[in-house]
Amino acid sequence: QVQLQQWGAGLLKPSETLSLTCAVYGGSFSAYYWTWIRQPPGKGLEWIGEINHSGSTNYNPSLKSRVTISVDTSKNQFSLKLSSVTAADTAVYSCARLLTGDWYFDLWGRGTLVTVSS
Amino acid sequence: EIVLTQSPGTLSLSPGERATLSCRASQSVRSSYLVWYQQKPGQAPRLLIYGASSRATGIPDRFSGSGSGTDFTLTISRLEPEDFAVYYCQQYGSSPLTFGGGTKVEIK
Repeated sequence: QVQLQQWGAGLLKPSETLSLTCAVYGGSFSAYYWTWIRQPPGKGLEWIGEINHSGSTNYNPSLKSRVTISVDTSKNQFSLKLSSVTAADTAVYSCARLLTGDWYFDLWGRGTLVTVSS
Repeated sequence: EIVLTQSPGTLSLSPGERATLSCRASQSVRSSYLVWYQQKPGQAPRLLIYGASSRATGIPDRFSGSGSGTDFTLTISRLEPEDFAVYYCQQYGSSPLTFGGGTKVEIK
């Protein structure tokens, strides 16, 4: 059974860098795009960006200047870094698998609540 | 960027009733890369419909999707108690991938 397991710091101070990692257990790593999505408390979903197994990335233009998504194919892991966080970045951050071609998310991590507070 | 506007924001209905949810795009969504998800509190979104009208594996046939271009609809023919949730549309016909703001289907 394919699973996404994510981890990272849940409490940050303003101006710090958010860092999360998602590991893919089971299934193919190369057949998908691997994505980060966030959801502020009580609000809707926002796509942060994606990466494939060869390291090709796409980012949301609204976050592009602060986001880096990287991949470690030897470990079947991908990571998110978001720099210079503010309270507006407080959200549940989830990793998800994006099916290439049909372009929908068919597998999600459990989500990590990241709170930015001084 | 394609903006997806979902309406209504909240739909108050009783079990057994029909729910009609709208997702309108600011530009045409290419090749019907329009998807619908259901989300319950504390859970990840669950894929319902992809390609505007294809039901995902295991999704009951009371859920149906329709539409093309800029206007899409999710219909739940007869609401079951487990269907009360928030529903999101999503497109990736063009980058960036965007979600609608969601429609909450609540028990009347």
